[in-house]
Amino acid sequence: DAGVTQSPTHLIKTRGQQVTLRCSPKSGHDTVSWYQQALGQGPQFIFQYYEEEERQRGNFPDRFSGHQFPNYSSELNVNALLLGDSALYLCASSLGTGNGYTFGSGTRLTVV
Amino acid sequence: AQRVTQPEKLLSVFKGAPVELKCNYSYSGSPELFWYVQYSRQRLQLLLRHISRESIKGFTADLNKGETSFHLKKPFAQEEDSAMYYCALRTNNNDMRFGAGTRLTVKP
Repeated sequence: DAGVTQSPTHLIKTRGQQVTLRCSPKSGHDTVSWYQQALGQGPQFIFQYYEEEERQRGNFPDRFSGHQFPNYSSELNVNALLLGDSALYLCASSLGTGNGYTFGSGTRLTVV
Repeated sequence: AQRVTQPEKLLSVFKGAPVELKCNYSYSGSPELFWYVQYSRQRLQLLLRHISRESIKGFTADLNKGETSFHLKKPFAQEEDSAMYYCALRTNNNDMRFGAGTRLTVKP
């Protein structure tokens, strides 16, 4: 079992561009949560997907959106990128919404 | 407000010494608390959760509702315990909120 896989591992984008990050959950997991981790900070909750719907959302603007597919994989989209969006984006999966998370190794996004 | 506070960004102890990583939380409901660990060049992973009341790698953590704390303790630190430790709170909405983390260094 490969656990949670995220792609790409690194990405460089220009301000104003749009980006899509991808996550495949651990086998058997049906819930995906996305986090943003800035340098020296703890992971900040963006949103959570379960049964292909956004169930919970953290304090992030509408520029951040997502999707979950029938196979439970998920995408995070960020529009109109700002320099401050530069961070490590983590995906975590779980079985249902009441269990511990398994994390991916993240996508390092740099906005220049 | 739902908040997790880890007051120490850095903590350094000698091998064999006791270690305590502090975590305080602010939450109006019934909290569910976790400790996650990230070793160098590895992904974030679950260390323990308070409802399991278990000891993992010699670490324990007790939920103190009166002091709203969930400190992580180990009686004898080992060099391989050096890592980044995050305390996390699961809210009633089932999302996980993390503290800023404490970097533990265990010196030989």
